[in-house]
Amino acid sequence: GESVGLHLPTLSVQEGDNSIINCAYSNSASDYFIWYKQESGKGPQFIIDIRSNMDKRQGQRVTVLLNKTVKHLSLQIAATQPGDSAVYFCAETGGGSNYKLTFGKGTLLTVNP
Amino acid sequence: KAGVTQTPRYLIKTRGQQVTLSCSPISGHRSVSWYQQTPGQGLQFLFEYFSETQRNKGNFPGRFSGRQFSNSRSEMNVSTLELGDSALYLCASSFGGSGYTEAFFGQGTRLTVV
Repeated sequence: GESVGLHLPTLSVQEGDNSIINCAYSNSASDYFIWYKQESGKGPQFIIDIRSNMDKRQGQRVTVLLNKTVKHLSLQIAATQPGDSAVYFCAETGGGSNYKLTFGKGTLLTVNP
Repeated sequence: KAGVTQTPRYLIKTRGQQVTLSCSPISGHRSVSWYQQTPGQGLQFLFEYFSETQRNKGNFPGRFSGRQFSNSRSEMNVSTLELGDSALYLCASSFGGSGYTEAFFGQGTRLTVV
């Protein structure tokens, strides 16, 4: 069949606002979660990770929240800047000897100056 | 320290040809994973190597293969190229393997099949 492009969810925010990007995952055995940022023409860049024994982890201007009950992950970016404009992917990996990342579809974040 | 290096950055090939892509991981990293990124399917796992052994393989046809050398550098090969193989091919390097330690991606090789 004909392939179609992924319809990326989009989020548009004003510079200085806080951004929240959400992600749902399906594998209840997943025990390691990562957020990546991908700018045009570049590979994914690691932002922050969290393991399943935690529900919150903070980095510089970023916070990841994990709700295992509803299998939901979110990335909060404080004081969003134009340089934060990119596609953001969540990724998960299952427990045990899995060694692969399963990526979500991504969210396009646009920061308006 | 140097990041993950993928070569070449861009490649144009004709249907039916084969192609080899290269990935040099971060020094000290022993795990290399390969992913295919397309607008239609997003990021999909191809395979992962650790100390020259393939530990996991994604759902891709046998035309896609890879290997890892003793210095942890990895290559992937696609034979009998099809138009649908046009994609950005990404390599990720980690110390112990994605899922256990942080994975760093290269800039990718953009393959166009005509």
